[in-house]
Amino acid sequence: SAVISQKPSRDICQRGTSLTIQCQVDSQVTMMFWYRQQPGQSLTLIATANQGSEATYESGFVIDKFPISRPNLTFSTLTVSNMSPEDSSIYLCSAQNFLAFFGQGTRLTVV
Amino acid sequence: DAKTTQPTSMDCAEGRAANLPCNHSTISGNEYVYWYRQIHSQGPQYIIHGLKNNETNEMASLIITEDRKSSTLILPHATLRDTAVYYCIVRGNPNTGNQFYFGTGTSLTVIP
Repeated sequence: SAVISQKPSRDICQRGTSLTIQCQVDSQVTMMFWYRQQPGQSLTLIATANQGSEATYESGFVIDKFPISRPNLTFSTLTVSNMSPEDSSIYLCSAQNFLAFFGQGTRLTVV
Repeated sequence: DAKTTQPTSMDCAEGRAANLPCNHSTISGNEYVYWYRQIHSQGPQYIIHGLKNNETNEMASLIITEDRKSSTLILPHATLRDTAVYYCIVRGNPNTGNQFYFGTGTSLTVIP
């Protein structure tokens, strides 16, 4: 199993600003991912965080809006850039091998 | 993309078995069926997974049809704490980097 810690757990941000979310896993994992969960909706995969290289983005998500870093096997960051109210969501980090493990998420409100 | 179809919502009486169906008619031979649940304001939690055979653990049982086109998650004695959204996910070989894609899930409400 893997324990995932995300920071911050919640934030309220002004439109036009950026927020960086950190994800720390307590063990080395092969794959890390970032998901978005809009209010009342299911989880949508944003991207695969690749160690030491550019993230792989799903359709509808771009690097300029959601830059991702993964400097090592246990840590990743997601930045939500130039935020608008439509970015208000829960953002979840996931570590996956045969199973998927999730953090508690970051609840972002953009005003 | 999600490859599963689930009912939007279900109710179950406390103490009774909750049977949650999932259709995955396009599943391929090397794809597994996973079940996760998400209790309000928490990250998704693993429940069980299977390939062909039925599986049971301390949380639930998973029944997969012989043609593998559908499955049922069984919570044998539902409690109020089982109220959550349950996601059925089909995923390929994890060794080839396949991700977990979530569908809409089933919102299960356990009624006292």
